[in-house]
Amino acid sequence: GAGVSQSPSNKVTEKGKDVELRCDPISGHTALYWYRQSLGQGLEFLIYFQGNSAPDKSGLPSDRFSAERTGGSVSTLTIQRTQQEDSAVYLCASRQTGMDQPQHFGDGTRLSIL
Amino acid sequence: QKEVEQNSGPLSVPEGAIASLNCTYSDRGSQSFFWYRQYSGKSPELIMFIYSNGDKEDGRFTAQLNKASQYVSLLIRDSQPSDSATYLCAVKYSSASKIIFGSGTRLSIRP
Repeated sequence: GAGVSQSPSNKVTEKGKDVELRCDPISGHTALYWYRQSLGQGLEFLIYFQGNSAPDKSGLPSDRFSAERTGGSVSTLTIQRTQQEDSAVYLCASRQTGMDQPQHFGDGTRLSIL
Repeated sequence: QKEVEQNSGPLSVPEGAIASLNCTYSDRGSQSFFWYRQYSGKSPELIMFIYSNGDKEDGRFTAQLNKASQYVSLLIRDSQPSDSATYLCAVKYSSASKIIFGSGTRLSIRP
């Protein structure tokens, strides 16, 4: 398909484990964003990539969270030593460069920490 | 102070009426503004974007931008039950290309 692809769609893990969430953006989209959405809440900005660099990582909640992007394409969000408050839906979006270019969202990864 | 503010609702509107959704933002230099619709359990989907002062119409939807007052609104004409969803306002800031979302307004269209 031509849309943003995220995997896994669901992840259940025990508290203290590390998790990796993957985002495959739309081909040619240079900007990539990670957001977190808790139940009934809005989208919380985590980090933004332009190409492989992250000009803004101000939204990462703690040093347990990190993200990288390689080849200007796939991005991985890693959460170390997971806590129960990390449970949420993690959404990835990509967009083309340009003032009026909208974000296109993936279906998200629903993360549950037991 | 939140960067992008929306009334959380729920906003209840009778079918066929006009639904009016509002959003205010704090950065006067903001460039682009987006409205997304999100159904429960689904990802946000784009409805409209606007970056010039004034109105922009697309079918039953009209986005209105007033940069002097720092607000953007979305009007939905002839509201349908299928319009019942959470509407998210998003703002692209001038200092970087990060895009910040409001917490969303839950809209309910009653038959």
